[in-house]
Amino acid sequence: ETGVTQSPTHLIKTRGQQVTLRCSSQSGHNTVSWYQQALGQGPQFIFQYYREEENGRGNFPPRFSGLQFPNYSSELNVNALELDDSALYLCASSTYNEQFFGPGTRLTVL
Amino acid sequence: TQLLEQSPQFLSIQEGENLTVYCNSSSVFSSLQWYRQEPGEGPVLLVTVVTGGEVKKLKRLTFQFGDARKDSSLHITAAQPGDTGLYLCAGMYNNNDMRFGAGTRLTVKP
Repeated sequence: ETGVTQSPTHLIKTRGQQVTLRCSSQSGHNTVSWYQQALGQGPQFIFQYYREEENGRGNFPPRFSGLQFPNYSSELNVNALELDDSALYLCASSTYNEQFFGPGTRLTVL
Repeated sequence: TQLLEQSPQFLSIQEGENLTVYCNSSSVFSSLQWYRQEPGEGPVLLVTVVTGGEVKKLKRLTFQFGDARKDSSLHITAAQPGDTGLYLCAGMYNNNDMRFGAGTRLTVKP
């Protein structure tokens, strides 16, 4: 059984650019959630996907969007990047009430 | 707004000491989880507590869920340098929105 994987590991972008982050969920998990973790903070919920449909959203603007594919892998897209978008982006796949996190993608916006 | 408040924010102790960290909220959670996160990695699930008053032990770690399911504590006995990390509590809010505290950063000195 493979765990949650994310790519890329690190990414540097400039303000106004767009970015796509990818996540492969743990085998057998059909729910994927994305979180943003700023330095020194706990993760903040962005949104969740269940069977390819958005299933809940946190307090993030529409320029944060996502997709889930039939194999339950997922993408997080962020348009018009801002400096404050610099953070660790975590993906978690879940079953029932337990979530298992990937190692994250460290995004730096210059 | 943090639904979950963790204290202390930072804790530095010597190897062999005992410690307790706290997670408090004004909201009731159906379940609460504790994670440990090391630099550059995603959070790793330590335990899930579901029942008010529940106590779970994981080797030297003891987790307690408050009777009203609004608060929790994590007690570590005879801390070791390998316990160093960011300890996060998280509660499920609105079925699919998991809210995290800001964490307690623990350093155990040899």
